[in-house]
Amino acid sequence: EAGVAQSPGYKIIEKRQSVAFWCNPISGHATLYWYQQILGQGPKLLIQFQNNGVVDDSQLPKDRFSAERLKGVDSTLKIQPAKLEDSAVYLCASSSGLFSGNTIYFGEGSWLTVV
Amino acid sequence: AQTVTQSQPEMSVQEAETVTLSCTYDTSESDYYLFWYKQPPSRQMILVIRQEAYKQQNATENRFSVNFQKAAKSFSLKISDSQLGDAAMYFCAPEYGNKLVFGAGTILRVKS
Repeated sequence: EAGVAQSPGYKIIEKRQSVAFWCNPISGHATLYWYQQILGQGPKLLIQFQNNGVVDDSQLPKDRFSAERLKGVDSTLKIQPAKLEDSAVYLCASSSGLFSGNTIYFGEGSWLTVV
Repeated sequence: AQTVTQSQPEMSVQEAETVTLSCTYDTSESDYYLFWYKQPPSRQMILVIRQEAYKQQNATENRFSVNFQKAAKSFSLKISDSQLGDAAMYFCAPEYGNKLVFGAGTILRVKS
């Protein structure tokens, strides 16, 4: 079974530029998450999708971050304009269920460095 | 807000010995799940073990086991017969509302 796929693996951009990350969840997984992990910290949830609807985006900085999940499958996370403090690993994850307790599977992450 | 505390930023263990990583959390919910994830240098999160809060029996997965104390809101991870491949960052992550809340992590170093 293929895992959660993410791209690009690494990206270096200058502040005020834009960047986009792509995620393809495990086939059939209804729930998709984007987490931000700053170096030395635990991941923080940015947004949670259930199929193509947003369940929780309370911690997404909406003035610069946006995310969408078209047709309830792939998802894109965009940052525009980027700030230095956005340097982090962006982790995409997915799970099959609508209820608690289902295993959440993670991709390898997209490393972002803003200079 | 739910909080998760991992009070040990870093731990070391000799190969083949046992180590325990601690975690405490805060929640007002009565039914939830708790997870330990491992993150090696490759950065991919790997599930280590899962505990259902309504089950009194502690979960076990091969060399990994937990000590779950619901009243104390404590969820520690014990790794027996430690191996070099166990070296990684370990995160305690309670699940609330179908989403994980992560602690700050504990770096585990394994000495040969």
